[in-house]
Amino acid sequence: SQKIEQNSEALNIQEGKTATLTCNYTNYSPAYLQWYRQDPGRGPVFLLLIRENEKEKRKERLKVTFDTTLKQSLFHITASQPADSATYLCALFTGGTSYGKLTFGQGTILTVHP
Amino acid sequence: NAGVMQNPRHLVRRRGQEARLRCSPMKGHSHVYWYRQLPEEGLKFMVYLQKENIIDESGMPKERFSAEFPKEGPSILRIQQVVRGDSAAYFCASSPPERATEAFFGQGTRLTVV
Repeated sequence: SQKIEQNSEALNIQEGKTATLTCNYTNYSPAYLQWYRQDPGRGPVFLLLIRENEKEKRKERLKVTFDTTLKQSLFHITASQPADSATYLCALFTGGTSYGKLTFGQGTILTVHP
Repeated sequence: NAGVMQNPRHLVRRRGQEARLRCSPMKGHSHVYWYRQLPEEGLKFMVYLQKENIIDESGMPKERFSAEFPKEGPSILRIQQVVRGDSAAYFCASSPPERATEAFFGQGTRLTVV
């Protein structure tokens, strides 16, 4: 079965710096890889999706890369702010347009210090 | 357009009782997924349902757990004879037909078994 690992359990950085989170997976490459944000006591909130034939995706201060050779995705938050502090989840989507399920990593707790 | 609604937000049950968790998907969404987040673990897929059909229950424990998504009303995740190990956060997600990658999560139900 597919295994997914987020390398850091916790990451602490200073405000204004770039946070880089890593997600590695085994076995086959998924059709899509997604990143979610989860705040304490809340449900995951979708941030970005990247397809297996895409190398990079950006959305405002967020950037995701997807390397199917290394079986790795990197998630960057540039110009980080204390409000970015949360748990970030990597998830592999397997399925098609009508049905699919997500396999989640353990998450990385990001803390941005003012 | 209200998001995915889960209730109750918190549920306390004694060992041996039944727990019923409800999920109303977003308007226009016909696909419902249930995920479980155990303490110190990542989110794990449990079951995928469409109206009146269970499509994939590969993540459901074999005993005591069941799910339904009737023609009318919310999806229900039912846990019979709860044990302490069932204590977790249970999240529901929904997606529109033919856009399975667009999953929106509810805020979750936190089940505590005492």
